[in-house]
Amino acid sequence: EVQLVESGGGLVQPGGSLRLSCAASGFIFGTYWMTWVRQAPGKGLEWVANIKEDGSDKYYVDSVKGRFTISRDNAKNSLFLEMNSLRAEDTAMYYCVRDSYRFFDYWGQGSLVTVSS
Amino acid sequence: ETVMTQSPATLSVSPGERATLSCRASQSVSINLAWYQQKPGQAPRLLIYGASTRATGVPARFSGSGSGTEFTLTISSLQSEDFAVYYCQQYNSWPLTFGPGTKVDIK
Repeated sequence: EVQLVESGGGLVQPGGSLRLSCAASGFIFGTYWMTWVRQAPGKGLEWVANIKEDGSDKYYVDSVKGRFTISRDNAKNSLFLEMNSLRAEDTAMYYCVRDSYRFFDYWGQGSLVTVSS
Repeated sequence: ETVMTQSPATLSVSPGERATLSCRASQSVSINLAWYQQKPGQAPRLLIYGASTRATGVPARFSGSGSGTEFTLTISSLQSEDFAVYYCQQYNSWPLTFGPGTKVDIK
């Protein structure tokens, strides 16, 4: 059974940093692209970033470029999102998602990030 | 950027009735279109990819159609568990983009 479990969310002040982690199991992690998708409270879904199987290619939505970094550790079946210079508009539930040719077939339950003073 | 729009924003349907949801892309996405279902407090669930292919375990009452810029998700006979928000997503070009969603609620 595919499982994706996020951790690392919480309350952070504007301008602060946070690192999200995602522990994957139930599939061969190193053979899939992986993605972060976020959802602001009461709003729709927004693709944030994704990373190739071996970590050699990464893509970001414009609003997080230069502030967020996606990475992975295939030996530990883990995906990460390093978030710096956080803004109020980054407040959202962040989902770790398995990427199947750019659509998303398995989702974690999410990790809530709140940016507020 | 390919902008996705969905209509209607809310669809009120009685159980057992048919529901038809629309999704439009600002430019052609070929058949690189997926549909997701999200219930309150839950993560989204993949329903359809490739515009018309049902994901594993998705009931046959869900069907997708369309290509280019116009797409439709049809739920042939609504069950109580189908009342949710439905999102379309294009994966033809970067950035990957979602529609704003259609909420299907009980009439």
